Amino acid sequence: DAGITQSPRHKVTETGTPVTLRCHQTENHRYMYWYRQDPGHGLRLIHYSYGVKDTDKGEVSDGYSVSRSKTEDFLLTLESATSSQTSVYFCAISETALTGTSGNTIYFGEGSWLTVV
Amino acid sequence: GENVEQHPSTLSVQEGDSAVIKCTYSDSASNYFPWYKQELGKGPQLIIDIRSNVGEKKDQRIAVTLNKTAKHFSLHITETQPEDSAVYFCAAVNNAGNMLTFGGGTRLMVKP
Repeated sequence: DAGITQSPRHKVTETGTPVTLRCHQTENHRYMYWYRQDPGHGLRLIHYSYGVKDTDKGEVSDGYSVSRSKTEDFLLTLESATSSQTSVYFCAISETALTGTSGNTIYFGEGSWLTVV
Repeated sequence: GENVEQHPSTLSVQEGDSAVIKCTYSDSASNYFPWYKQELGKGPQLIIDIRSNVGEKKDQRIAVTLNKTAKHFSLHITETQPEDSAVYFCAAVNNAGNMLTFGGGTRLMVKP
């Protein structure tokens, strides 16, 4: 298994409170990603990082921010949690970009279950 | 952007039978297509992937085929076993190589 640790694994929080999810990797991979998984929508990319302090938006980035101050850590922050952000959040990593005929592969962590009440 | 459609959404087979899951994609520039297996309460696990420079790849009981002209790719599982029961996702990478777009998933049930 890829060395990815997500914390917390489960969290219940109230609407309007800030929440930070942490992803820690031991593989020294350059790329890190945050996805959310919801019934009927599969997995959707929130934000990704292509290096320390280098991040970009995915397809569902509204209401989320990220930070990457070290290669091994990628933080996802919900500034003011809403019920629509109740979801399972997955961190993923890849050594390089995924394109090309010999590019690299993306591996997922075990997920963080977030409930906003 | 990329759009990936996956069928069927549920699939029930008898142990020992074959299972086939199909996906189509919209971006003709996509060139990497992984398949993931997800068990309840766990993260997606890569089971096989294929790149655009090959048409077929096999790993024991699992095979993937790719038709770039038709923009579709398929997962084939032979001699299914109860432990193959899970949700399977196909995905395609965008041209920039920074985002995977996933299909909606297929719940495979293998009956003993």
